[in-house]
Amino acid sequence: SAVISQKPSRDICQRGTSLTIQCQVDSQVTMMFWYRQQPGQSLTLIATANQGSEATYESGFVIDKFPISRPNLTFSTLTVSNMSPEDSSIYLCSVEGVQPYNEQFFGPGTRLTVL
Amino acid sequence: AQSVAQPEDQVNVAEGNPLTVKCTYSVSGNPYLFWYVQYPNRGLQFLLKYITGDNLVKGSYGFEAEFNKSQTSFHLKKPSALVSDSALYFCAVRAPSGSASKIIFGSGTRLSIRP
Repeated sequence: SAVISQKPSRDICQRGTSLTIQCQVDSQVTMMFWYRQQPGQSLTLIATANQGSEATYESGFVIDKFPISRPNLTFSTLTVSNMSPEDSSIYLCSVEGVQPYNEQFFGPGTRLTVL
Repeated sequence: AQSVAQPEDQVNVAEGNPLTVKCTYSVSGNPYLFWYVQYPNRGLQFLLKYITGDNLVKGSYGFEAEFNKSQTSFHLKKPSALVSDSALYFCAVRAPSGSASKIIFGSGTRLSIRP
């Protein structure tokens, strides 16, 4: 399985500001995923990021609010823009395992609190 | 559309007793099924998966899961619970339609093992 790191591990931010979360993988992967997990809740997929193309966003998530970069096969960033307290969540990046079954492996998450 | 249900928000078991965490799914075709565990302040860890073959799948930390096609279930089990098993458990399903299909997570079950 891949080793995935995220920065920062946690942050406390003011309303109206933006935070960029970094995700680094120790091997080259085609697809990376960004999830949101609100306190005590399940995971909701925000978007899928392929290297060299624009991210694909799920219903309810838009690029202006959650811009994503994927500059190479081992790295991605998620920005949470113009934050409000409702954005307080854990943000997780993940990658797929070896084909064809594609279970996902997750980073440790970024715990965001918006005041 | 694929879906997965975890009917119990919380399961409480005494240490040393067997435990079961329930999961049912709905997907077209033969599913890929997964269990993940999330310890406090940690990301998700992959426990086990069912793709094909034996209905009883063994995974990490002594956990196993039984695939039951007729009941569309994939319950997680362990013969003897440990206090350290206390965590949040997620069942997930993926339709076998290639890597483009998403993994859908259940709502999670909090497992509490009392000494």
